[in-house]
Amino acid sequence: QKEVEQNSGPLSVPEGAIASLNCTYSDRGSQSFFWYRQYSGKSPELIMSIYSNGDKEDGRFTAQLNKASQYVSLLIRDSQPSDSATYLCAVLLMNSGGYQKVTFGTGTKLQVIP
Amino acid sequence: SAVISQKPSRDICQRGTSLTIQCQVDSQVTMMFWYRQQPGQSLTLIATANQGSEATYESGFVIDKFPISRPNLTFSTLTVSNMSPEDSSIYLCSVVRISYNEQFFGPGTRLTVL
Repeated sequence: QKEVEQNSGPLSVPEGAIASLNCTYSDRGSQSFFWYRQYSGKSPELIMSIYSNGDKEDGRFTAQLNKASQYVSLLIRDSQPSDSATYLCAVLLMNSGGYQKVTFGTGTKLQVIP
Repeated sequence: SAVISQKPSRDICQRGTSLTIQCQVDSQVTMMFWYRQQPGQSLTLIATANQGSEATYESGFVIDKFPISRPNLTFSTLTVSNMSPEDSSIYLCSVVRISYNEQFFGPGTRLTVL
């Protein structure tokens, strides 16, 4: 089982719709969760971080975390063509020695159709 | 977010040569990492650059091939040694800022090995 799993897509949504991106993780000790957006040819850009169960909203973006089910999702409301990118889910795990390791999923490609 | 610069931004190299990539951050950071991203793939962690001590390498990566230095809290280098075409990739420096758990990426170095 992969440590962080995402559907590779592409996920196609019409402009103005809600895009829903999902991610599951295997390690119950995971502590922090992140969503990155990566445009083609560019480096990943952090767009959301979430640390506790529930929803966290930032503008058109909402991150949702359910630690019991080990999943984290990202909702993008009023999707725009400029949201077309690959979205990477990332999970932070701290071990007893304090070493921090962030594991990335393979990413979901989102296409917003005008 | 931290401002991260990488040099060079891209290079084309001959098989068997070595290239050193520099990463400079505008503020002191706790953790610095080096990733590789091959075309169409997600991020693969090469190593954690430790300040004042040897880097911690992930499975499949060795110091002889990817020597890393981190002389202070704001600077690191990654050398890709004895390059082959399989080393063609984007190499990304990433940092975690002091007091934050969020990880940021530099703009990347696009390496092509002929």
